[in-house]
Amino acid sequence: KAGVTQTPRYLIKTRGQQVTLSCSPISGHRSVSWYQQTPGQGLQFLFEYFSETQRNKGNFPGRFSGRQFSNSRSEMNVSTLELGDSALYLCASSLEWANEKLFFGSGTQLSVL
Amino acid sequence: AQRVTQPEKLLSVFKGAPVELKCNYSYSGSPELFWYVQYSRQRLQLLLRHISRESIKGFTADLNKGETSFHLKKPFAQEEDSAMYYCALSSSGGSYIPTFGRGTSLIVHP
Repeated sequence: KAGVTQTPRYLIKTRGQQVTLSCSPISGHRSVSWYQQTPGQGLQFLFEYFSETQRNKGNFPGRFSGRQFSNSRSEMNVSTLELGDSALYLCASSLEWANEKLFFGSGTQLSVL
Repeated sequence: AQRVTQPEKLLSVFKGAPVELKCNYSYSGSPELFWYVQYSRQRLQLLLRHISRESIKGFTADLNKGETSFHLKKPFAQEEDSAMYYCALSSSGGSYIPTFGRGTSLIVHP
């Protein structure tokens, strides 16, 4: 069974631009959650999607948004990028609930210049 | 507010020695607690959940509600245990807002 796939692996953007990250969950998994990992703040929860609906949301500004498609694939969008958005963005999938066993992707490393 | 504290950024032990990675939490309700591990050049993966009450790779963790702790223990460390360990807490039920600790890097020397 293929694992969680995140694309792209690396991104370099400039301030003010927007970016879209993609996550393909494990086949059959319906819950997809997103996380931001930085040296300063550690691993922080962004949001969780289930059945194309945002089910839970962390404490991030509205510039961070996401969506989920009918095949459970998910995208995350960050608009008006700031230098502080530079981070590793991780996606994880699980069968039904995000507090079950999570399977993580390798992440997308975003650098904002 | 939920909070997870891992007081040690780095824990260094010799092979065969006991290991205890500390995790303390702050949460007003009934928490669900997890330990995640990230080996070098691998993905973050679940090690164990407190509700499973299982032992994975020789590691165990007991939820102590009185001390609000969920320490990870292994009686005899192996070199392959060297990794980054994260303790995490989430609310129970459908509202999943997980909080992760900053992580503890475990190094097991030969």
